Amino acid sequence: GAVVSQHPSRVICKSGTSVKIECRSLDFQATTMFWYRQFPKKSLMLMATSNEGSKATYEQGVEKDKFLINHASLTLSTLTVTSAHPEDSSFYICSAPRTSGGAGEQFFGPGTRLTVL
Amino acid sequence: QKEVEQNSGPLSVPEGAIASLNCTYSDRVSQSFFWYRQYSGKSPELIMSIYSNGDKEDGRFTAQLNKASQYVSLLIRDSQPSDSATYLCAVHGSSNTGKLIFGQGTTLQVKP
Repeated sequence: GAVVSQHPSRVICKSGTSVKIECRSLDFQATTMFWYRQFPKKSLMLMATSNEGSKATYEQGVEKDKFLINHASLTLSTLTVTSAHPEDSSFYICSAPRTSGGAGEQFFGPGTRLTVL
Repeated sequence: QKEVEQNSGPLSVPEGAIASLNCTYSDRVSQSFFWYRQYSGKSPELIMSIYSNGDKEDGRFTAQLNKASQYVSLLIRDSQPSDSATYLCAVHGSSNTGKLIFGQGTTLQVKP
């Protein structure tokens, strides 16, 4: 069964609105989660590392004020796309490392497809 | 030079054949290696992990790792049309950040 969930699976919003995406680890605790975005026919691009109890670590070129990350508990991380614009339309995927697995092993959520009109 | 390189394909094989997917990486001290399968419109699914040199088999899948050559591969035996997907190679490097570095993926087409 799924070990990482995401909600919503799909969202359509108007330009200028904010959208929140939730990522939950279902049967394990995750002090770290990762947020990716993926454009059509492209590979995953890591946006940021979400850290429980501390600030997220953003990858170079990712706007911190536009993509707000909050790691509220050991099982929940949220990504808020603020003032969304059509160029933010993408497939957003979170992942969490499972401590019982090997080093670096990550499990991915089902993804959230965001369409900004 | 990209950190993790894959041939984007598409790689086309007939049903029942062996599909061979290859990946090279640049960080010599990388420790962990993963193959993910991604169907169109879906998120990646972990299918194999390998940590030491040699072969690791799981059903129809075999991962091969050669750290000296900085090369990891995935063999799929008795390929089925349902194996048609993009296969992503991911490497966990020497840092303690837990981050994975992904290749661009190889698209596999298995033709009936």
